[in-house]
Amino acid sequence: KAGVTQTPRYLIKTRGQQVTLSCSPISGHRSVSWYQQTPGQGLQFLFEYFSETQRNKGNFPGRFSGRQFSNSRSEMNVSTLELGDSALYLCASSLVAGQHEQYFGPGTRLTVT
Amino acid sequence: DQQVKQNSPSLSVQEGRISILNCDYTNSMFDYFLWYKKYPAEGPTFLISISSIKDKNEDGRFTVFLNKSAKHLSLHIVPSQPGDSAVYFCAASTGQGAQKLVFGQGTRLTINP
Repeated sequence: KAGVTQTPRYLIKTRGQQVTLSCSPISGHRSVSWYQQTPGQGLQFLFEYFSETQRNKGNFPGRFSGRQFSNSRSEMNVSTLELGDSALYLCASSLVAGQHEQYFGPGTRLTVT
Repeated sequence: DQQVKQNSPSLSVQEGRISILNCDYTNSMFDYFLWYKKYPAEGPTFLISISSIKDKNEDGRFTVFLNKSAKHLSLHIVPSQPGDSAVYFCAASTGQGAQKLVFGQGTRLTINP
């Protein structure tokens, strides 16, 4: 069974631009969560989607948004990029909403210059 | 306010010996705890979990112990193998919005031959 896939794996953007990251969950998994990993803050929860609905949101500004499609694939968008948005963005999937065990993809490394 | 803390950034253990990784938490609402292992350039991999109604959970070489009164959990790896060298993250969640995992900063474990 294929794991969680994320595209692109690496991305370089300029301050002020926007970016869209994509995540395909494990086949059959319907819940997708996003996390940001930085050296200073560690792994922080961004949001969780299930059945195309956002169920939970972390403490991030409104520049961070996401969505989920009917096939459970998810995208997250960051608008008006700031230098501090440089991070590894990880997507995790689980079978259903609220399931503790989540399975992570390899991440997208975003660099903002 | 770091609700989950891993106070040891690194740990070095000889192959064949026991590795003990520690984690402390402050939020008494946490009722489910997980350990993830992360290799460079990969997403975290789920290792083992424990519910707050238990004080021990075992899976092969991995055992997690939970001390609720001390708000402390630990991961024991016996015997340690070179492939165990990785960064280990402790994570916690609450019954409400269980999908939102709160992670510690991680401990880099190095197994020496």
